[in-house]
Amino acid sequence: GNSVTQMEGPVTLSEEAFLTINCTYTATGYPSLFWYVQYPGEGLQLLLKATKADDKGSNKGFEATYRKETTSFHLEKGSVQVSDSAVYFCALSTNAGKSTFGDGTTLTVKP
Amino acid sequence: KAGVTQTPRYLIKTRGQQVTLSCSPISGHRSVSWYQQTPGQGLQFLFEYFSETQRNKGNFPGRFSGRQFSNSRSEMNVSTLELGDSALYLCASSAGLRDLETRVANNEQFFGPGTRLTVL
Repeated sequence: GNSVTQMEGPVTLSEEAFLTINCTYTATGYPSLFWYVQYPGEGLQLLLKATKADDKGSNKGFEATYRKETTSFHLEKGSVQVSDSAVYFCALSTNAGKSTFGDGTTLTVKP
Repeated sequence: KAGVTQTPRYLIKTRGQQVTLSCSPISGHRSVSWYQQTPGQGLQFLFEYFSETQRNKGNFPGRFSGRQFSNSRSEMNVSTLELGDSALYLCASSAGLRDLETRVANNEQFFGPGTRLTVL
C-alpha cells in the first residue's frame, strides 16, 4: 500500500534560517505529491504540489522537487518567518479523492 | 469562489449516541473525501464520494458511513459513538477527475475547517 514518512518534529528555527523537512514515500503506480500546511484551529491548506518526476512545486518561498529515484519530496525554504509556524504535512495520491498523509511536522519559528 | 464549508464546527456527544456531520464542497467539485485527524493516529482516510457514489473507502468500521447528494453536498454519520471517536473530522473537495492527456488524477484537495467532535 501507499505510505509517507516525514521527518519527525518538532522543528524550532530562528527567523531567516533555512528550512528542510524530509519526506519519503512508498506508492503503487504514479503518485502525485503534495505539501499541506495546517495553522492552529484550521483545516489543511495546499502549499505546493508536483504531479510527475522532476517536477518542482513552489509557493510562498517554499519549494519541493519530485525525486522518483530516491522516492522523496523534501520541503525547503531559504529564509523562514515567524508566520511560517504551523504543522506541515507531506501527502501522496494515486487515486483521485484519496490521499495518504505523513504524520506531520510542527515548525516553530522564533523571532 | 466560496471554499469548503463544514457544519457544525464543534460537537459534544456522549458514548452510544450517533452524530451527523455535513460538508459543502467548492462549487463544481464532484468529489468529497472525509478524514479523521487525531493526535495519535494522524490523518486517516475514511471514504470518498464522487457523483453520489462511494468510490474509495478506508479501514474504518461500519459505524462510520456517509452519503452524497445530487448537489455534491456530503454527510458523514457515526453511530454508537465511542470515546476513541473524538477527533477533528475534515472534509476535502476536489474535481476528482483524470486529465485526459496525462491520465494523472486531478486530486488536489481543498479542505474545510473541520468539525471538532468530542465524545464524553
